[in-house]
Amino acid sequence: QKEVEQNSGPLSVPEGAIASLNCTYSDRGSQSFFWYRQYSGKSPELIMFIYSNGDKEDGRFTAQLNKASQYVSLLIRDSQPSDSATYLCAVNRSGGSYIPTFGRGTSLIVHP
Amino acid sequence: KAGVTQTPRYLIKTRGQQVTLSCSPISGHRSVSWYQQTPGQGLQFLFEYFSETQRNKGNFPGRFSGRQFSNSRSEMNVSTLELGDSALYLCASSSGVGSPLHFGNGTRLTVT
Repeated sequence: QKEVEQNSGPLSVPEGAIASLNCTYSDRGSQSFFWYRQYSGKSPELIMFIYSNGDKEDGRFTAQLNKASQYVSLLIRDSQPSDSATYLCAVNRSGGSYIPTFGRGTSLIVHP
Repeated sequence: KAGVTQTPRYLIKTRGQQVTLSCSPISGHRSVSWYQQTPGQGLQFLFEYFSETQRNKGNFPGRFSGRQFSNSRSEMNVSTLELGDSALYLCASSSGVGSPLHFGNGTRLTVT
């Protein structure tokens, strides 16, 4: 089992819809969870982080964390074509580490 | 605050040569990590430095090395370049355990 798993996609949604991106992780003691957006040919850009169970909202983005089920999700409301990118999930394992483990990313395509 | 700065942005090298990439972290960040990203492999962790010491190392051959200076700036070196070393090399800095990584713009290395 991979440590951090994401569906590679592509996930295709129409403009204005809600895009739902999911990520599961294997280390039950994981403490910190991050979502990065990466445009083609560019570097990853941090868009959300979450440490506690529940939802965290920032503008059109909502991160959802369920530690009991070991998954973290990213919802993008009112999706725009400019949201088309690869979304990387990253998880800091237990034991105190600066180094998160990254998933392979989910490609999101928002079509007009 | 200035972000993570990587130089150069682009490099073209010939097989067998060596290359040095540079990274200046966000001011105050003492942890610097390096990643290799290729289309087929996703983000691969190379190594992490903290206070001039390599604290974590990924699964790469010894041709890949790095160092960190007292001002937290870091360099990575790849010797005896191979065609398969063509990739986007990303540097990221972090302020503490469990804190997010902040990536630089990357260095695009092409080996011919």
